[in-house]
Amino acid sequence: AQSVTQLDSHVSVSEGTPVLLRCNYSSSYSPSLFWYVQHPNKGLQLLLKYTSAATLVKGINGFEAEFKKSETSFHLTKPSAHMSDAAEYFCVVTPTGGKLIFGQGTELSVKP
Amino acid sequence: NAGVTQTPKFQVLKTGQSMTLQCAQDMNHNSMYWYRQDPGMGLRLIYYSASEGTTDKGEVPNGYNVSRLNKREFSLRLESAAPSQTSVYFCASSEWGVNQNTEAFFGQGTRLTVV
Repeated sequence: AQSVTQLDSHVSVSEGTPVLLRCNYSSSYSPSLFWYVQHPNKGLQLLLKYTSAATLVKGINGFEAEFKKSETSFHLTKPSAHMSDAAEYFCVVTPTGGKLIFGQGTELSVKP
Repeated sequence: NAGVTQTPKFQVLKTGQSMTLQCAQDMNHNSMYWYRQDPGMGLRLIYYSASEGTTDKGEVPNGYNVSRLNKREFSLRLESAAPSQTSVYFCASSEWGVNQNTEAFFGQGTRLTVV
């Protein structure tokens, strides 16, 4: 069975410091992996995606993620947090077959 | 380019009432999905349709029915609403293939309250 685990329900960082949001997945197949962001009372926006090309994936707003098959991880990072990064982040796995499976989300707080 | 359009944006129902949430996409995607979002639980899949003419249950299908009316439209029906169905509902679409999936595009959500 396929699943996604986001290891932290809440992460708090200071503005200008690095961000690390952790995601582990379980999939029987070579999955596609995504990170989405949701700002308060908004819909979901794609940050970046991995689809079996380069293992280091760059996304919007300075975010990037590295696919590590040996660790079954797809952690999201950003070198320097900005106040506007405060939001909820979701890691999503899509094994072939069309079903999207969401992690439980990580709420990112950014302190001035 | 509208993307994924959901209606309504807000709805209040009384227990036992029925309603249909509408969703339409204009990207010619083959797959469509309905999710509900509850605090601390992420998005949970209610039903999905991998292609026109097919629908499958997701993680939390009880109390819901769906119709894939055509390639563009995928509706979600609550036959007899219950307070436990108070949630934010999202429709999404994507294009999937044998080897990989494209990203999903989401509607803006429907905030449903059942009293």
